[in-house]
Amino acid sequence: AQSVTQLGSHVSVSEGALVLLRCNYSSSVPPYLFWYVQYPNQGLQLLLKYTSAATLVKGINGFEAEFKKSETSFHLTKPSAHMSDAAEYFCAVSDLGNQFYFGTGTSLTVIP
Amino acid sequence: KAGVTQTPRYLIKTRGQQVTLSCSPISGHRSVSWYQQTPGQGLQFLFEYFSETQRNKGNFPGRFSGRQFSNSRSEMNVSTLELGDSALYLCASSFGQYTDTQYFGPGTRLTVL
Repeated sequence: AQSVTQLGSHVSVSEGALVLLRCNYSSSVPPYLFWYVQYPNQGLQLLLKYTSAATLVKGINGFEAEFKKSETSFHLTKPSAHMSDAAEYFCAVSDLGNQFYFGTGTSLTVIP
Repeated sequence: KAGVTQTPRYLIKTRGQQVTLSCSPISGHRSVSWYQQTPGQGLQFLFEYFSETQRNKGNFPGRFSGRQFSNSRSEMNVSTLELGDSALYLCASSFGQYTDTQYFGPGTRLTVL
């Protein structure tokens, strides 16, 4: 069975600092991994997706994630945090039956 | 290309009533998944429909049901509402393969009084 663990339900960073949001997965098949962002009172928006084409995936808004098979991780990073990055971030993995498994989310606060 | 739309955006119901939520997927998408999001439980998978058939089902009671029409539009129904059903209900559409991205609608905020 597939599962996703997001370490840290709340992360605070200063504006301009590095953002690192952690995600570890468990998958019995080659994983397809996703990061989504959710702003208040909105649905989830795709940030980036790992499809095995490249281990470093670049997404929107300056975010990127690196797939590390040996560590079963897919951490999300951004070199310099902006106030507009404050939101909830979800990591997800899909299985062969097209069911998505989401992590519990990480709330990112950006301190001015 | 129009995104996933959900109607209504907000609903207020009382305990014991039933409610129907609607989701229109992105054109060409044949899969629609439904999720319940609450502060305490996070995102929980309800069910997924593909080509009018329920393909996956989460761990929710039978009060939660859904269907999909031939144009891929989907509805979910909750009968005998309970206070704990208050949540943001999200639907997501995709082409239907596990390699495909799910695109989410804005959600329906259901409040049960």
